[in-house]
Amino acid sequence: EIVLTQSPTTMAASPGEKVTLTCRASSSVSYMHWYQQKSGASPKLWIYDTSNRASGVPNRFSGSGSGTSYSLTISSMETEDAATYYCQQWSSNPYTFGAGTKLELK
Amino acid sequence: EVQLVESGGGLVQPGRSLKLSCAASGFTFSNYGMAWVRQAPTKGLEWVATISYDGSSTYYRDSVKGRFTISRDNAKSTLYLQMDSLRSEDTATYYCARRKLRYFDYWGQGVMVTVSS
Repeated sequence: EIVLTQSPTTMAASPGEKVTLTCRASSSVSYMHWYQQKSGASPKLWIYDTSNRASGVPNRFSGSGSGTSYSLTISSMETEDAATYYCQQWSSNPYTFGAGTKLELK
Repeated sequence: EVQLVESGGGLVQPGRSLKLSCAASGFTFSNYGMAWVRQAPTKGLEWVATISYDGSSTYYRDSVKGRFTISRDNAKSTLYLQMDSLRSEDTATYYCARRKLRYFDYWGQGVMVTVSS
């Protein structure tokens, strides 16, 4: 099973600040996907196939990476971006998720 | 608009059974693989099971193999999860999700399952 390790676990960012969330895989994966989950709500697909924004996702969000290291970047933090972000892979069964990064507004 | 609506959750004693349903609308259900993903209280996401578009292939995480059964009725656009021999560690919110091969592009609102005596 491929283990995904997200860092940091929790962070706070000020409006306008650049934010980078990291996801490291225990073995090389072909793609990484990201989900946003706000408190009390279901997860939403945010970034798929490493770098593609899902429908409706603002272009201040971007994804990048390869092999065992991937990242999600917010170019300029906004209030509405406060949420927990999970990475997910399926290069081999089973599907696995990272433990999440909780992003708070400073 | 894609909609996935789960139902069937509740409080159940350890060792008992429960069956979840997920009613799909807004897309051609029979064209997509589907999945169940769960989230224990205050925890992260955990994939549970996947089924192919026609129901011919199913996959399960090790901890539920032999206890859970994923199935679908394409005529009713409905996904199911039969959960037998429930354990306290199965307590979670269960989400139905549309599978886009490598990822899950739409999620339901979730249904809570509590396993406790």
